[in-house]
Amino acid sequence: KAGVTQTPRYLIKTRGQQVTLSCSPISGHRSVSWYQQTPGQGLQFLFEYFSETQRNKGNFPGRFSGRQFSNSRSEMNVSTLELGDSALYLCASSEQGARDAGYTFGSGTRLTVV
Amino acid sequence: AQTVTQSQPEMSVQEAETVTLSCTYDTSESDYYLFWYKQPPSRQMILVIRQEAYKQQNATENRFSVNFQKAAKSFSLKISDSQLGDAAMYFCAYNSGNTPLVFGKGTRLSVIA
Repeated sequence: KAGVTQTPRYLIKTRGQQVTLSCSPISGHRSVSWYQQTPGQGLQFLFEYFSETQRNKGNFPGRFSGRQFSNSRSEMNVSTLELGDSALYLCASSEQGARDAGYTFGSGTRLTVV
Repeated sequence: AQTVTQSQPEMSVQEAETVTLSCTYDTSESDYYLFWYKQPPSRQMILVIRQEAYKQQNATENRFSVNFQKAAKSFSLKISDSQLGDAAMYFCAYNSGNTPLVFGKGTRLSVIA
């Protein structure tokens, strides 16, 4: 069974640009969550999608957005990049966002904004 | 809001020895889940062990076990017979209902040969 796949692995962007990150969950998983990981703030929740609907949203500015497709693949977009957006972005999938199933994480996308 | 606190930024252990990582959390919920995740240099978060709050028995997964003290809101991870491959960042996490995972800041574990 394939794991959670995040692409690309690394990305370098210039301040002011926009970026799109992709996450393919485990087959059969309908919930996809996104987290931002930085040395200073740790792991912070961005949003969760379930069956193409945003179910939860973290405390991030509107520049951060996401969506989920009918095949459960998810994308997150960051517009007007700032230096502080440099981080590891992790995606996690679960069957239903269920607590008891736990979450399976991908290897992340390392975004560097210069 | 729920919070998770890991008071040990770094820990080290000799190979084959036992180490315990601490975690405390704050919640007003009675039903919730607690997790320990491991993040090696490969960056992928790997689920080590989970505990359901309504179960009094401490969870165990091979060399990994937890000490769950619900009244004290404490959830420590014990790693027995430590191996070099155990070296990683360890994160304690919590969730309840359909809320997202809340993570602690992590503990960096070094294993000394």
